[in-house]
Amino acid sequence: ETGVTQSPTHLIKTRGQQVTLRCSSQSGHNTVSWYQQALGQGPQFIFQYYREEENGRGNFPPRFSGLQFPNYSSELNVNALELDDSALYLCASSLPGTGSSFFGQGTRLTVV
Amino acid sequence: DQQVKQNSPSLSVQEGRISILNCDYTNSMFDYFLWYKKYPAEGPTFLISISSIKDKNEDGRFTVFLNKSAKHLSLHIVPSQPGDSAVYFCAGRRGDKIIFGKGTRLHILP
Repeated sequence: ETGVTQSPTHLIKTRGQQVTLRCSSQSGHNTVSWYQQALGQGPQFIFQYYREEENGRGNFPPRFSGLQFPNYSSELNVNALELDDSALYLCASSLPGTGSSFFGQGTRLTVV
Repeated sequence: DQQVKQNSPSLSVQEGRISILNCDYTNSMFDYFLWYKKYPAEGPTFLISISSIKDKNEDGRFTVFLNKSAKHLSLHIVPSQPGDSAVYFCAGRRGDKIIFGKGTRLHILP
């Protein structure tokens, strides 16, 4: 039990639609990162938020966007969904300067 | 550019024996290296980490070794138990950004 919770656990969307995924961080963790894990691959860094501002971004197009709220919960938004967006989306929370990040159970997104 | 490489997609080890999972990296700027374990339908679970200035860290059955000159690290699990069967991800951390390898599936045989 990491204290990081994600919703929903599973989701099916149609190509072209928009989706919002949600994450509640572990208590006290002010940094949240989002990752995309395609089948057979390791998680790929999408972006990170620290104190409600984007603090780093991986190689993902602008249709992937995010928000972090004052209570450190977070959202990942994906517009104009493509079939290749089908993946497990993971949220991780951490405290800066510590040696580990703690992951939620993920949201399995299927785009049809 | 794959900064963290796990070249063995899978590994089978007899219960009770030592499991050794290997990982190579190319980015010298990582400040920590981490190992995560993942079961199906769950998020990665943090196992153990090592600072880039250390060469060994031990936590119970898990020991991580870091060889900076070879840019190589390994995770040793001893003794291996059935519950250790999972996918193991090696990762390098720079700031709060984590770069993962593709994972190694460990099978513990009875």
